[in-house]
Amino acid sequence: DAGVTQSPTHLIKTRGQQVTLRCSPKSGHDTVSWYQQALGQGPQFIFQYYEEEERQRGNFPDRFSGHQFPNYSSELNVNALLLGDSALYLCASSRRLAGDVTDTQYFGPGTRLTVL
Amino acid sequence: DQQVKQNSPSLSVQEGRISILNCDYTNSMFDYFLWYKKYPAEGPTFLISISSIKDKNEDGRFTVFLNKSAKHLSLHIVPSQPGDSAVYFCAMNYGGSQGNLIFGKGTKLSVKP
Repeated sequence: DAGVTQSPTHLIKTRGQQVTLRCSPKSGHDTVSWYQQALGQGPQFIFQYYEEEERQRGNFPDRFSGHQFPNYSSELNVNALLLGDSALYLCASSRRLAGDVTDTQYFGPGTRLTVL
Repeated sequence: DQQVKQNSPSLSVQEGRISILNCDYTNSMFDYFLWYKKYPAEGPTFLISISSIKDKNEDGRFTVFLNKSAKHLSLHIVPSQPGDSAVYFCAMNYGGSQGNLIFGKGTKLSVKP
């Protein structure tokens, strides 16, 4: 059973460019969350997608946007890249339970983004 | 302002002994608590969780303790093994949803043979 997969593994961009990161959830999962992990920090929540809609959002600017497809996979888009966007971007998938509660989140290996 | 604090950036323990990792939080609304383990070049791996209605949860060598009055969470690993060497993150949220997990900065555990 494949776990959460992410692509690409590494990415180098320059300031002002745009980037798209991809995530395929674990089999049986329908909810995808994205986190940013800066060096020496814990992961920080960006947003969560369920039924192709953004359900929750953390304290990130509108330059960060996402999408979820009918097969539950997801993309994270970042526009107008800044040096400070350099980080490990983690995707986590989970299963929606009753009452808008999700089960345990399982993480992918992440995409390391470097902005020069 | 950090809502979740792991005050020890690193911890070194001898193989076979107990490892105790600590986590403090400020938001009394948190009601679900988790520990994740992270190896280099991998994503965080779920270890164990506890809800606010409990004060202890065990899974094999791993036990999580929750002290709500002190707003303190701890993870005990007994006995510690060299393969346990990794960065450990505590995470938590509230409202019954696992969206928007709030993480600490992590503690790097080194278990020496």
